Parts: sequence; structure tokens; C-alpha cells
Amino acid sequence: ETGVTQTPRHLVMGMTNKKSLKCEQHLGHNAMYWYKQSAKKPLELMFVYNFKEQTENNSVPSRFSPECPNSSHLFLHLHTLQPEDSALYLCASSQGGNGELFFGEGSRLTVL
Amino acid sequence: AQSVSQHNHHVILSEAASLELGCNYSYGGTVNLFWYVQYPGQHLQLLLKYFSGDPLVKGIKGFEAEFIKSKFSFNLRKPSVQWSDTAEYFCAVNYNTDKLIFGTGTRLQVFP
Repeated sequence: ETGVTQTPRHLVMGMTNKKSLKCEQHLGHNAMYWYKQSAKKPLELMFVYNFKEQTENNSVPSRFSPECPNSSHLFLHLHTLQPEDSALYLCASSQGGNGELFFGEGSRLTVL
Repeated sequence: AQSVSQHNHHVILSEAASLELGCNYSYGGTVNLFWYVQYPGQHLQLLLKYFSGDPLVKGIKGFEAEFIKSKFSFNLRKPSVQWSDTAEYFCAVNYNTDKLIFGTGTRLQVFP
């Protein structure tokens, strides 16, 4: 149990599908993050939310759409993805902005 | 640009061997430094961190890291590795913002 729960753990979707990834943190943190983890590449920061406000959008294509309804929940809405979007999507949370992140187990996405 | 470099992509050791994994970051003033570990099939978890004070920091499972400001380095060490240390290790840097920038990771394999 990490305190950060991601669902689903695995997702297979076609390029025309619309799906969503969900993240919930039980740590009382005020910031939440989406990272993309691909083989042989650094973890790529996608989005940052601080007190429900988006503070970072790291030039992510619009086919990825984040939503943060409150400090405990974070979604990543997916539509018309490409095969190169296949990766492990990691959610994290933090408190205090010092960079110490707590990660979920990730959602493994495969785009066919 | 802010970046983190990990020099070793894949390290193979026998049990009881000593380990040192290199990490360098680009200059950016005050930094917070981290090493995260990802065991096979598990989530990313914090191994150790440096915010200030003694530049030699000790983490879990016998790991330590030394911050050398003049070299912009934060190398990870363990005097005697175990088979259970087989994992991927990520160096990460926070440049006093709410973002954490990761290196590409080093895959460590320890053979009995």
C-alpha cells in the first residue's frame, strides 16, 4: 500500500477509443502529478496540480487531458491516442513542494 | 536546461560487490536531491534524499549518497550489494520548484 492508488493497472485501447486513468491519494498532500515512463527514457513530467490548480503542462499533446476535481483525486482522460503513447503512466503526490514524491504503482497503457 | 545524467545504464554485479552509481545534474542554484528505487513489479519508492546539512546521507537498506556541490554530483553507494538489490535506480533533482526531474535510470542486476 503506497498511499497513492491508480486504476486501472492495465489498459489496452484502440486509437479511436476514449478512456480515463484515475489516481487517488490518501496522504493529505496538496500536489499531484502525472509522469510518463517509457523504456530507456527519463521519467517525463506531464502535469502538475497544486491545490487543484494546474501549475505545469509540460508541452503535452491535447489528446491527454487532465482533471483534478479536488486535492485527493486526479484523472487523465485519453482520446485518439497513438501507438507511441504506450507507456507506464505514474501518478504521484507531494506535500510542501520540496520535490519528495510518493508514487502509485502505475497504469500500463497499450495503444493498438 | 535543467537536466539529470546517470552514467551507468546497466550494471551487473555479484553479491558482496561494492556499488557506486553516478548522478550529475545541471547547475541551477539550490537543489534538493533524491534517489528512488523501483523493484521489479513494484512502485517507485524513495531510497534517500538530501536537502541540506551533512552532504553524506544515509538511506534505507544500507545505501548512502554523497552530495559534492563542486562537481554537481550525487552518487549512490553501497559497500556490499545483495541479490535483493536488483532493481532500477533513479536519480532526481528538485530545483526549488514543485517539479522533480529524473535521470534515465540505472538497471542493477545482482547475481548470487
